[in-house]
Amino acid sequence: GENVEQHPSTLSVQEGDSAVIKCTYSDSASNYFPWYKQELGKRPQLIIDIRSNVGEKKDQRIAVTLNKTAKHFSLHITETQPEDSAVYFCAAGEGIYNYGQNFVFGPGTRLSVLP
Amino acid sequence: EAGVAQSPRYKIIEKRQSVAFWCNPISGHATLYWYQQILGQGPKLLIQFQNNGVVDDSQLPKDRFSAERLKGVDSTLKIQPAKLEDSAVYLCASSYDGETQYFGPGTRLLVL
Repeated sequence: GENVEQHPSTLSVQEGDSAVIKCTYSDSASNYFPWYKQELGKRPQLIIDIRSNVGEKKDQRIAVTLNKTAKHFSLHITETQPEDSAVYFCAAGEGIYNYGQNFVFGPGTRLSVLP
Repeated sequence: EAGVAQSPRYKIIEKRQSVAFWCNPISGHATLYWYQQILGQGPKLLIQFQNNGVVDDSQLPKDRFSAERLKGVDSTLKIQPAKLEDSAVYLCASSYDGETQYFGPGTRLLVL
């Protein structure tokens, strides 16, 4: 089955700096890679996703890059703000072509943005 | 649109007791997921339904956990008997396309 690793487990940055979180996956059948943000005591919420036919996707201050050959993908947050402080989870799965099977989350990265 | 609903929000039971959780997905979402999230870890998929059929239950501890999704809408997850290590947040999510998942608020279970 799929195995997703995520690094670092904790990350502290100064407000305004950039943050990068990296994930690797093991199953070459995975073709859908979302990122979720979870604030303390709240539900995970999708912030950006990427599919295997795309190498990069950007949404305002957030971007995700995917390297299918190396089986890794990364989340980039620029101009960080205190409200970006949360736990971020990457995930990998087989997407719509197989009912989203084998969906696995990474262990999470706790991001702290220091004012 | 209304989000994913779950109940109860909190539950405290003693080990060896049974407990059930309920989930109502977003209307029209064919795919429903149950996750277990232990404190400090990522969500772990327990079971995935496509309409009322099971797509993946490979990580469901079937000796004590069961789940059903009658009529392809609401779903219940049951634990019987509960163990101390079952203490976690149980998250339900639904999806219309098998990709974007919308999570409910979760049920926080404490087993004493």
